[in-house]
Amino acid sequence: DAGVIQSPRHEVTEMGQEVTLRCKPISGHDYLFWYRQTMMRGLELLIYFNNNVPIDDSGMPEDRFSAKMPNASFSTLKIQPSEPRDSAVYFCASSPMTGVDTGELFFGEGSRLTVL
Amino acid sequence: SQQGEEDPQALSIQEGENATMNCSYKTSINNLQWYRQNSGRGLVHLILIRSNEREKHSGRLRVTLDTSKKSSSLLITASRAADTASYFCATDAWGGGNKLTFGTGTQLKVEL
Repeated sequence: DAGVIQSPRHEVTEMGQEVTLRCKPISGHDYLFWYRQTMMRGLELLIYFNNNVPIDDSGMPEDRFSAKMPNASFSTLKIQPSEPRDSAVYFCASSPMTGVDTGELFFGEGSRLTVL
Repeated sequence: SQQGEEDPQALSIQEGENATMNCSYKTSINNLQWYRQNSGRGLVHLILIRSNEREKHSGRLRVTLDTSKKSSSLLITASRAADTASYFCATDAWGGGNKLTFGTGTQLKVEL
């Protein structure tokens, strides 16, 4: 398996522009997570899905952020409009979650976003 | 806020030495996991220890868990330059849903 695939790997944009980050989870994984990593705040969970349904979006910073999972093999994280403080590395992770507790997460390589 | 706090924040050792990293957390957990992150890369799962386990081994890794103190430690024995990375603990909080909360991480540098 190719692992979790994220695109783009790097994005530089100007304040006010729309940004769309994409993720293809590992086939057969029921859970998908979006995390954001910054030096100041570390790794923060933004939202996670189970079987394409958003379960917990309490980590989404504000209404400028939205995430969708239209099918089991694709998810997007959108920021509109973007601001400089959104600059971070955004990670997507998936998990098969076969047990009653949270199992191993498989991370993509991340999308590094710079908002000027 | 961070569920887990790693200690130390940074650690520099010589190749062949052992490296110990500690993680403290705040709430009751189902399990605790350790991940590794090489610079510019995604996180990679190392080991998972459940709340009813006290110690676990995987190759050169040894993880302990003390639920009474809400703490865990990761020991890497006979370290190698290739072990240079950041190491994170992550907790699956009891009743917190199927999600992990990550700590602040320890940056390990192994010098030749």
